[in-house]
This record gives sequence, C-alpha cells and structure tokens, in this order.
Amino acid sequence: DAGVTQSPTHLIKTRGQQVTLRCSPKSGHDTVSWYQQALGQGPQFIFQYYEEEERQRGNFPDRFSGHQFPNYSSELNVNALLLGDSALYLCASSRLAGGATDTQYFGPGTRLTVL
Amino acid sequence: GQQVMQIPQYQHVQEGEDFTTYCNSSTTLSNIQWYKQRPGGHPVFLIQLVKSGEVKKQKRLTFQFGEAKKNSSLHITATQTTDVGTYFCAVPFSGGYNKLIFGAGTRLAVHP
Repeated sequence: DAGVTQSPTHLIKTRGQQVTLRCSPKSGHDTVSWYQQALGQGPQFIFQYYEEEERQRGNFPDRFSGHQFPNYSSELNVNALLLGDSALYLCASSRLAGGATDTQYFGPGTRLTVL
Repeated sequence: GQQVMQIPQYQHVQEGEDFTTYCNSSTTLSNIQWYKQRPGGHPVFLIQLVKSGEVKKQKRLTFQFGEAKKNSSLHITATQTTDVGTYFCAVPFSGGYNKLIFGAGTRLAVHP
C-alpha cells in the first residue's frame, strides 16, 4: 500500500516562472491538502481539494492554484514565482468520511528553490 | 486568525536527559495532534488527543491534553539520538474541513 507520493523531489526555478507540483494520495483517501513550509517554520495551509473542488483556502494569493483529478491526485500551480515562494511544499491526504479530525498523512514534499 | 503557540523554539539536551515541548491555544480545541519531522524529512503523525485531561504514552513519549483542552505537552524520557528532529503540534481549524494549524515547532538536538 503506497503512501502519499509527490513529484518532483526538488525543483529550481527563477523569479517570474511558473511551477506545477504533483501529489498522489494514500490509497483509499479522497481529500488532498497542500501546505507550504518555509525554512524553520511549521507548515502553512494553502488549500484543500475534495471531489475535484477547492473546499478551503488559506491566506495565499491567487498565484497559487490547484486541481484535483478524478483519481484523487492533485496538482499545485504557482505562477509568477517570487523569491519568497522558496519552501518545502507538502501534500497531505485524508478521508472526508473520517471527519474533520481524520489523520492526515504527509508526502515527502517538493523542495522548491526560486532564484 | 486562529493560532497555536509552541515553546521552546529550540532545545539542546545530553543523551539520556528528558525533553518537554508545550503547545497553547487561546481557544478550546476539539483535538490536538503531534507530528515529528526529522531533518530533511516530512512531518510524520505521532498521535491525536481528543479527551480533556487525556494522557497517552508511546514507549518513552508521553502526551498530555489539558483539562481545559487549550494546551498540550509532549514529554520524552531519557532522550536518544534517534529523537532528533522538530516536534510540531497541530490543531484543527475551528471552521472544520480538516485543515490543520501548526505550531512553529520545537527543534530538539541530542548530544551523545
């Protein structure tokens, strides 16, 4: 049973570019949440997807967008990259049926560096 | 916005010493979760506390949830070098959706 997978592992981009990060949830999970973790800080919630729709969003600008596919996998897109977007991007999956307290399982993350 | 405060920010201990990290919320929590993140790794779920005054143990780790459900602690007895990492508490967003609000974390260094 595969856990949460993310790709790519590392990514280097320059300011102004666009990036797409990918996540496959744990088997049996239907909800995907994305978090941004800056160096030395705790993860910050970006948004959550269920049934291919964004259900909740954190305090992130519209440059951050996402998508969920019918197989529950998800993408995070960031446009017009800024130096401050450099961070570890984490995907977490859970089951909606598990309720608001269902355990979230985190993937290994994508380390994005913006130069 | 909803916040959770976690202290200390850093803790350096000698192997064999105990370690404690604390989380505090201004609002009553439905539950609190604890995660461990090894250097270069990702957060790994440790435990969830739900009941007022709850105490749970995992080998050398003891987790407590306050009576008022506004604070929690993680205590490690006789630390080992394998305990190195950052320990985060996380609380659910009061508006639901299984959105987690993380504390800033406590980074634990263990010197052999």
